[in-house]
Amino acid sequence: GDSVTQTEGLVTLTEGLPVMLNCTYQTIYSNPFLFWYVHYLNESPRLLLKSSTDNKRTEHQGFHATLHKSSSSFHLQKSSAQLSDSALYYCALSVNVGDNSKLIWGLGTSLVVNP
Amino acid sequence: EAAVTQSPRSKVAVTGGKVTLSCHQTNNHDYMYWYRQDTGHGLRLIHYSYVADSTEKGDIPDGYKASRPSQENFSLILELASLSQTAVYFCASSGDWGSQNTLYFGAGTRLSVL
Repeated sequence: GDSVTQTEGLVTLTEGLPVMLNCTYQTIYSNPFLFWYVHYLNESPRLLLKSSTDNKRTEHQGFHATLHKSSSSFHLQKSSAQLSDSALYYCALSVNVGDNSKLIWGLGTSLVVNP
Repeated sequence: EAAVTQSPRSKVAVTGGKVTLSCHQTNNHDYMYWYRQDTGHGLRLIHYSYVADSTEKGDIPDGYKASRPSQENFSLILELASLSQTAVYFCASSGDWGSQNTLYFGAGTRLSVL
């Protein structure tokens, strides 16, 4: 079935180092839509970025991700981590199934950025 | 800016008691969702609705009921709360069920069942 895998439950970094949060997916449908949502403590989860275009880099708030259908990946990256990036990050996959749509969530990766 | 408001923000309930979590959105969205968040399980869909007076089961509906009396309001009801239902609950709305649609979340309700 359709699934999303976020291999790291917890990523701990020192401020200034690059961030890479892994996301891979499985689906039988040919036009997946991939999302990254971010959940800061005591706030609402919100969309960080999304993409359905193969090999096109999508950027928002210093983060970027590129959907690679060949490897079924949508890794989230940032060149330099900031303390304020500490949050829970969810990767999600959406596919159209007939007239409906399915949204499948990864388990989330908690990013902790230390001084 | 999309707005989804949940109440209460936190609640302590006794085992076997009835709990109602409320959600109100001002986005004029047709779709509303209830998720629960647990460490190690991520976000799991409990119930959703795409029109007033109709609800649909999500992936983990057992032990929960939902009510959508109007487009703006969507409630989650635990008739007989159990310890295993201790979690953070999020309501969300979206403009469509299409694959590209963004979900707008509320701030969450932290429920502790004792």
